[in-house]
Amino acid sequence: DAGVTQSPTHLIKTRGQQVTLRCSPKSGHDTVSWYQQALGQGPQFIFQYYEEEERQRGNFPDRFSGHQFPNYSSELNVNALLLGDSALYLCASSSPPPNYGYTFGSGTRLTVV
Amino acid sequence: AQSVTQLGSHVSVSEGALVLLRCNYSSSVPPYLFWYVQYPNQGLQLLLKYTSAATLVKGINGFEAEFKKSETSFHLTKPSAHMSDAAEYFCAVSDPNFGNEKLTFGTGTRLTIIP
Repeated sequence: DAGVTQSPTHLIKTRGQQVTLRCSPKSGHDTVSWYQQALGQGPQFIFQYYEEEERQRGNFPDRFSGHQFPNYSSELNVNALLLGDSALYLCASSSPPPNYGYTFGSGTRLTVV
Repeated sequence: AQSVTQLGSHVSVSEGALVLLRCNYSSSVPPYLFWYVQYPNQGLQLLLKYTSAATLVKGINGFEAEFKKSETSFHLTKPSAHMSDAAEYFCAVSDPNFGNEKLTFGTGTRLTIIP
């Protein structure tokens, strides 16, 4: 049973550019969440998608946007990249209660130069 | 609003000794609580979760945690540390109500095992 798959694993972008990260959820999961983990920090919630709609959003600017497709996969887009956007971006998929649980992917390491 | 405080950003224990990683939470609703482990350059792996069933939760790799409502705590323990336990550990809390299930993480505790 495949878990959460994220691509790419690493990428380097220049300030001001745009980036798209991709996530395929675990089989049977219909909800996808994105987290940003800066070096030495805990993950911070960006947003969550359910039924192709953004359901919850954390304290991130509008430069961060997302999408969920009918097959439950998801994309995270970041526009006008800043040096401070350098981080590990984690995707997590989840199933609703009572079998509640989050499964995380291995992340995409984004470096902005 | 929910939050998690992990006491001790770094913990060192000798191989074979008790591991105790502390987590206190704040939540306006009965919470769900989680412990995750992260190895270098990897994602997060779920160790265990509390979802309002038994207050003593057993997880993988010999870890367990006890939910104590009166102390608002969910400390992680392991009776005997192994070298492979060296990693970063994160406690997280979520609101179990549908549509509000985002995870709020603590700042993490780096566990070092002394041979």
